[in-house]
Amino acid sequence: QVQLVQSGAEVKKPGASVKVSCKASGYTFTSYGISWVRQAPGQGLEWMGWISAYNGNTNYAQKLQGRVTMTTDTSTSTAYMELRSLRSDDTAVYYCARLGVDTALTDPDYWGQGTLVTVSS
Amino acid sequence: QPVLTQSSSASASLGSSVKLTCTLSSGHSSYIIAWHQQQPGKAPRYLMKLEGSGSYNKGSGVPDRFSGSSSGADRYLTISNLQSEDEADYYCETWDSNTHVVFGGGTKLTVL
Repeated sequence: QVQLVQSGAEVKKPGASVKVSCKASGYTFTSYGISWVRQAPGQGLEWMGWISAYNGNTNYAQKLQGRVTMTTDTSTSTAYMELRSLRSDDTAVYYCARLGVDTALTDPDYWGQGTLVTVSS
Repeated sequence: QPVLTQSSSASASLGSSVKLTCTLSSGHSSYIIAWHQQQPGKAPRYLMKLEGSGSYNKGSGVPDRFSGSSSGADRYLTISNLQSEDEADYYCETWDSNTHVVFGGGTKLTVL
């Protein structure tokens, strides 16, 4: 079965960087892209960007341009999301997901379990 | 790019039905959307993809009580025979040809 397993919680100081991993299994990794979505405490879902696992093409949300980098390692079927220059309002649960943006209508979406990133001095 | 509008909250009684609405912005009424459920403290869970025609494809294990329908720019999620475990936040999501993804603000469903 399809699984997206994320790395563990992180605590970072303002100005630092964080890199979250998302290991995929149960499907051909390069056949689908990976989206990253975050959720601040008590807030809704915010799409951060998407990466093609096939060729590494990316599309980032405008508000995060310049601070976020998404990469993949096809040898380990793992996607990564790095966020730099962290601020307190980056405190959130970060999810990787295989969403409908590049899947067929009959393909279900899948979500990782989430990674809590806390930014605090 | 599209914008999705959802009511912030809804409520219905145990055993009754509720219909949640997600409205696509002008010029995007033909877009496919997805519905996701997020129970308290959990990751989102995929429910279904829903076309403008009203045709939908549910995820594995999603109960028959969940169904989708469409009318113009509106996309609906209907939950029948409401159960206590249906109390959750429900998000709609869509995407454009430039691989840009958008989420609605979410509807918090309370089961009375």
